[in-house]
Amino acid sequence: QSALTQPRSVSGSPGQSVTISCTGTSSDFGGYNYVSWYQQHPGKAPKLMIYDVNKRPSGVPDRFSGSKSGNTASLTISGLQAEDDADYYCCSYAGSYIWVFGGGTELTVL
Amino acid sequence: QVQLVESGGGVVQPGGSLRLPCAASGFTFSSYGMHWVRQAPGKGLEWVAFIRYDGSNKNYADSVKGRFTISRDNSKNTLYLHMNSLRPEDTAVYYCAKDSGWNPGGSFDIWGRGTMVTVSS
Repeated sequence: QSALTQPRSVSGSPGQSVTISCTGTSSDFGGYNYVSWYQQHPGKAPKLMIYDVNKRPSGVPDRFSGSKSGNTASLTISGLQAEDDADYYCCSYAGSYIWVFGGGTELTVL
Repeated sequence: QVQLVESGGGVVQPGGSLRLPCAASGFTFSSYGMHWVRQAPGKGLEWVAFIRYDGSNKNYADSVKGRFTISRDNSKNTLYLHMNSLRPEDTAVYYCAKDSGWNPGGSFDIWGRGTMVTVSS
């Protein structure tokens, strides 16, 4: 159960787009398309932003989108806003009631 | 409104035990799987344990297997994490999270605010 690999940090200016990658092995992803993404502001609980690779829960802006190719999942945030400045974590279901998180990426909106 | 409230955190000596309850409200608790997720100070999220809606299946991260036990009381809408043989590396904020239930590999759609556990002599 090793963590999925994410870049430690990414940055972008308001209005720009950024993409955060999440890389694992085939066993990390379990052969499923059950990848989710969470946003966490300092001192706050995480918030679900994307589930099942590319689906958005109600209330999440459509600026947030997800994708997956092979053993790499990605979160893209377009039209960056100041409030997007936060930590982002990917998570995958690995099968047999086991989940694995990525190490997290700090997004800085310049 | 949908809410999860953890409690029971505190300071405990290495080798000690602690039980964390998580009170659920605003949804049909007995219909959803539940998780514990932790976050060490300044570190990332780590999935800890899962229990199915009826308690029939559970699983744990390797780092806590054999020391932690997840359980639930659907009559009290409460999830528990029983932690034994605690180590300094178990120091973290512990969150309970509701499984979305949208598929077998559900995501965590509702989170509590967390409770801090510090393992130190």
